[in-house]
Amino acid sequence: ETGVTQTPRHLVMGMTNKKSLKCEQHLGHNAMYWYKQSAKKPLELMFVYNFKEQTENNSVPSRFSPECPNSSHLFLHLHTLQPEDSALYLCASSQVRPSGRQLTYEQYFGPGTRLTVT
Amino acid sequence: AQKITQTQPGMFVQEKEAVTLDCTYDTSDPSYGLFWYKQPSSGEMIFLIYQGSYDQQNATEGRYSLNFQKARKSANLVISASQLGDSAMYFCAMLPDSNYQLIWGAGTKLIIKP
Repeated sequence: ETGVTQTPRHLVMGMTNKKSLKCEQHLGHNAMYWYKQSAKKPLELMFVYNFKEQTENNSVPSRFSPECPNSSHLFLHLHTLQPEDSALYLCASSQVRPSGRQLTYEQYFGPGTRLTVT
Repeated sequence: AQKITQTQPGMFVQEKEAVTLDCTYDTSDPSYGLFWYKQPSSGEMIFLIYQGSYDQQNATEGRYSLNFQKARKSANLVISASQLGDSAMYFCAMLPDSNYQLIWGAGTKLIIKP
């Protein structure tokens, strides 16, 4: 596997379900990101992990719970979601300095998980 | 305020023609990076090209070039000899040196006509 992978690619879940999205990066990067992309809206940054530490939580509801067990893996645990949470969830990775500043600027993205909440 | 503006929600272009996608930005940071990403209908976000604010020359990557006009705060993407496979959403993004969060534009949907 190369680059950034995400599973599952598609997910349909009810509002009472619990599910998890998985992201894995094979680029040796030390920062990982979760984005939400809703129709006709700019990408919304949800969470940032630098060196496995969560450094950003952009006012994301607690029904979304991230987990970063190591620098290569990132999870997004979902529970009691709402229909408005239906969106494309994108994972990305990049290389950052210990201060959190970008070392290389590009973020590399996975293919995304298209989530539908019924 | 730090902001990216893409004024073209959609564009139709004839195959093999060149196309310019507009992007203007606003930041008070003296140092920043500008990016273009392509998102096909399959959903993945593909990095295309990067321009640093202190780069003297416009960035080029194959058929992609970035027309960087710093005084106007614009960073337009130029695609030469467009192909059907270029049909996608295109996003402009900025990374000010003062933080590490990309600031995204709303995107332009490009459709290449045969």
